[in-house]
Amino acid sequence: EAGVAQSPRYKIIEKRQSVAFWCNPISGHATLYWYQQILGQGPKLLIQFQNNGVVDDSQLPKDRFSAERLKGVDSTLKIQPAKLEDSAVYLCASSLRAGGLNEQFFGPGTRLTVL
Amino acid sequence: LAKTTQPISMDSYEGQEVNITCSHNNIATNDYITWYQQFPSQGPRFIIQGYKTKVTNEVASLFIPADRKSSTLSLPRVSLSDTAVYYCLVDTGRRALTFGSGTRLQVQP
Repeated sequence: EAGVAQSPRYKIIEKRQSVAFWCNPISGHATLYWYQQILGQGPKLLIQFQNNGVVDDSQLPKDRFSAERLKGVDSTLKIQPAKLEDSAVYLCASSLRAGGLNEQFFGPGTRLTVL
Repeated sequence: LAKTTQPISMDSYEGQEVNITCSHNNIATNDYITWYQQFPSQGPRFIIQGYKTKVTNEVASLFIPADRKSSTLSLPRVSLSDTAVYYCLVDTGRRALTFGSGTRLQVQP
């Protein structure tokens, strides 16, 4: 079974530039999550989708971050404009559903460096 | 959300059993206890999950006392490849996971 795919794996940009990350979850997984992981810390949820609807985006900095999940499958996360403090690894995860014994499967992440 | 507390780091040697204890004093009735493992440059990976008593799989065991205010992840006979960060989480499975800083396990030869 293919895992969660993310691209690119690495991205270096200058502050105030824009960047987009892509995630393809495991086939059939209804729930998709984007996490931000700053070096030395645990992952922090940015947004959770159930199919193509947003379940939780309370920690998403909406003035600069946006995310969509068209057709309830792939998802993109965008940062515009980027700040130095956005340097982190952005992890995408998916699960079969939200509820019960919920195992999340994580992708390898995209490491973003903002200069 | 239930908050968890676990040691920042632990050291061990190959072949030893490692026990990582996590406290979650405010765990709710519907919460499960879940442990994830994360290697450098990888996303977290599910290890084990339980609600009460003891759960065992091919990788680890999870011990949960009756009051469920703590749990212990047990890794039998660790190897160098078990060097990683281990996260303890509590969740109902109805929302995204809330990760703390985890426990950095260093296994030495």
